[in-house]
Amino acid sequence: DAKTTQPPSMDCAEGRAANLPCNHSTISGNEYVYWYRQIHSQGPQYIIHGLKNNETNEMASLIITEDRKSSTLILPHATLRDTAVYYCIVYAVQYSGAGSYQLTFGKGTKLSVIP
Amino acid sequence: DSGVTQTPKHLITATGQRVTLRCSPRSGDLSVYWYQQSLDQGLQFLIQYYNGEERAKGNILERFSAQQFPDLHSELNLSSLELGDSALYFCASSKRDTPPYEQYFGPGTRLTVT
Repeated sequence: DAKTTQPPSMDCAEGRAANLPCNHSTISGNEYVYWYRQIHSQGPQYIIHGLKNNETNEMASLIITEDRKSSTLILPHATLRDTAVYYCIVYAVQYSGAGSYQLTFGKGTKLSVIP
Repeated sequence: DSGVTQTPKHLITATGQRVTLRCSPRSGDLSVYWYQQSLDQGLQFLIQYYNGEERAKGNILERFSAQQFPDLHSELNLSSLELGDSALYFCASSKRDTPPYEQYFGPGTRLTVT
């Protein structure tokens, strides 16, 4: 199974870009990189995903290195509401038979946005 | 608001009891997932249903069971409850069951076993 490594915590000043790194050196060619976040005991929230190319949506940008061994989630202008635990997940970590790909959450990075 | 609803929000019960947690997926989503989040274990996948059929089991105890009904809502049944079952239980849903797809999570049910 491809595993991910994230720093346990990070701080970011409000209004600045938050860059959250993730290492996934054993990622396979058909595995996607997904990012979710969880704001204090709320349900996790999908942010973005990618396979090879960089991706951007209204919430964030995802930069994946050419060798796909690492990625960075970028929140362009962090606000206090972005304080959360951010999870980097490599999809298709476990395939359990017909049509089941389980999300496996690690410990994530606790991002604190500082006023 | 993800569109996934879970009831009840909070549940307090005693050891040995049985409870049922309910989940309604987003409109049009066929797949439902259950997760448990405790302080020491993080988010753990329990079980998945797709269009009424069980698709995968994760770290689900034999005392726990689930089902998905024809209207696609799902229920998670927890029996012979122990103190260690106290946790947040999340339901998630998705349209597809093969990647790439996003899972949308509900607000969770906080279970306290006393």
